[in-house]
Amino acid sequence: EVQLVESGGGLVQPGGSLRVSCAASGFTFSKYWMHWVRQAPGKGLVWLSRISGDGSNTTYADSVKGRFTISRDNAKNTVYLQMNSLRAEDTAVYYCTRAPFWGQGTLVTVSS
Amino acid sequence: SYELTQPPSVSVSPGQTARITCSGDALPKKYAFWYQQKSGQAPVLVIYEDNERPSGIPERFSGSSSGTMATLTISGAQVEDEADYYCYSTDSSGNLWVFGGGTKLTVL
Repeated sequence: EVQLVESGGGLVQPGGSLRVSCAASGFTFSKYWMHWVRQAPGKGLVWLSRISGDGSNTTYADSVKGRFTISRDNAKNTVYLQMNSLRAEDTAVYYCTRAPFWGQGTLVTVSS
Repeated sequence: SYELTQPPSVSVSPGQTARITCSGDALPKKYAFWYQQKSGQAPVLVIYEDNERPSGIPERFSGSSSGTMATLTISGAQVEDEADYYCYSTDSSGNLWVFGGGTKLTVL
């Protein structure tokens, strides 16, 4: 059974940093692209970033390029999203996904 | 940046056919995917690669694509189909993925 479990969310001050993680199981992790998607309260889904199976290829949405970094550790079956220079508008539930599977999400709140 | 455009809302009576559209310039060459999201839950894939239905998704869900528009059709919509629906696809380069703004389907 495929499982994706996000963690690392929480409250962070504007301008701060946070790293969220997604632990995967139930499939050969290194063979798949992994994506991060977020959803602000009451708003729609927004694609953020993706990383290739071997970690050599990454792409980002314009809204986070230069502030967020996606990475993965295939030995730990985990994908990460490092978020820097956080703003109030980054407040959202952050999901990792390997279509068609999604995690339950982790809430990041940016507030002073 | 690339955009996918959906109507904000669609409303039908139970048993009627609901159609939700998604327009984007790259859709003639890129597949559309459709996700259903019910309140407080993670999204669920209901259509992939324009018109394929994952196992476990009811047959009343179907998809099509023509030109710059993809369409999700729910034939005989049921009350339990009330949800937000999002189309999902890539730009022409295949590198940037994007969701449509979402469509709230009301069945009552």
